[in-house]
Amino acid sequence: ETGVTQTPRHLVMGMTNKKSLKCEQHLGHNAMYWYKQSAKKPLELMFVYNFKEQTENNSVPSRFSPECPNSSHLFLHLHTLQPEDSALYLCASSQDSRADTQYFGPGTRLTVL
Amino acid sequence: DAKTTQPTSMDCAEGRAANLPCNHSTISGNEYVYWYRQIHSQGPQYIIHGLKNNETNEMASLIITEDRKSSTLILPHATLRDTAVYYCIVRFLYGGATNKLIFGTGTLLAVQP
Repeated sequence: ETGVTQTPRHLVMGMTNKKSLKCEQHLGHNAMYWYKQSAKKPLELMFVYNFKEQTENNSVPSRFSPECPNSSHLFLHLHTLQPEDSALYLCASSQDSRADTQYFGPGTRLTVL
Repeated sequence: DAKTTQPTSMDCAEGRAANLPCNHSTISGNEYVYWYRQIHSQGPQYIIHGLKNNETNEMASLIITEDRKSSTLILPHATLRDTAVYYCIVRFLYGGATNKLIFGTGTLLAVQP
């Protein structure tokens, strides 16, 4: 509905696994974002990409590795996560990183065992 | 960005208007007021934004006081599908490379049948 899709919608992984989250936007936007939403906490901005270049890294641990191969796709590569990393991971896009409105995907519910 | 204060929760009867308040007493002259909502387990959805004048779109109306220290989001005829957490965000546009959305804890609006 919003033009931003995320896969998978649900993911369970062990602490030694490596997995990737995928986000795709069909809106012709040039900026993409990763947010983390832990239980009972506000959304936290993780990364911002503008025209495929990373412009923000909000002190995110290196076990989270973003990749933006083009303006339509954004990945979040995960490795050696901790149980406290379990959260809803949301992707968003906007016309560019100074644009006024962000459009969010449905999120990936991640559980780390 | 200026801090906002919202009630933790509100109830509204189906079919009635839902009025969600937000205080932003430290807002500066060039900061906009944005409203997003997040239905359970989904990504946030943009609703409306404004600077000084009242705004209306197909989803809601935004009333900003003359001193701009508070605002009210109005859903004219609430339905059960409007049950969500509503976020009021104050944001300075075009001030830097990235316009961040700083989400607080929002107001949980429960529309009752």
